[in-house]
Amino acid sequence: QQQVKQSPQSLIVQKGGISIINCAYENTAFDYFPWYQQFPGKGPALLIAIRPDVSEKKEGRFTISFNKSAKQFSLHIMDSQPGDSATYFCAASMKKTSGSRLTFGEGTQLTVNP
Amino acid sequence: GAGVSQTPSNKVTEKGKYVELRCDPISGHTALYWYRQSLGQGPEFLIYFQGTGAADDSGLPNDRFFAVRPEGSVSTLKIQRTERGDSAVYLCASSLKGPGGIQYFGAGTRLSVL
Repeated sequence: QQQVKQSPQSLIVQKGGISIINCAYENTAFDYFPWYQQFPGKGPALLIAIRPDVSEKKEGRFTISFNKSAKQFSLHIMDSQPGDSATYFCAASMKKTSGSRLTFGEGTQLTVNP
Repeated sequence: GAGVSQTPSNKVTEKGKYVELRCDPISGHTALYWYRQSLGQGPEFLIYFQGTGAADDSGLPNDRFFAVRPEGSVSTLKIQRTERGDSAVYLCASSLKGPGGIQYFGAGTRLSVL
């Protein structure tokens, strides 16, 4: 059962452009929504995260927008750079369940062309 | 200190063989998680340890999979009678406190079952 759905599967953006990745979740008990970045041959690394009491969180060029009523959240990468080329995963967890085990989306392969 | 360390980085085995995958978490992290990542997919939860005990093993696909963490630090994921469908990257993550804590991932062990 896929509890977190992510789109698009792949994304190509020009340098300096905005990259947008979307996720939707089903379980309203989720209370933590991180985004992870993964480079080939490496493990996922936490990029930015949000809790449902906040509608937006910004860290540098990365912004999460959260819509609790629609059960959707998205990652915006401003001024995208070739070094941002990686696979991005959204995830969700519940603090009270299984040590906050993460449920991941399917991933988005981002390519930023120079 | 050092990040999460996983060994070996690659493991090739034959169908029916037994394999062990090792995870050294970040020092002092009490929570440890195993995930499995199939090609082109997001990681899927396998098991969560809080200290020495498996607090949640509901993600283990069947009884051929088993994991231990005898001293509350290093963990070993054990797979008996490997099948070709077990081929994947096995990721380990650790967290300072468990529920609500940030999970830090290792680079994974790429298991190939021939």
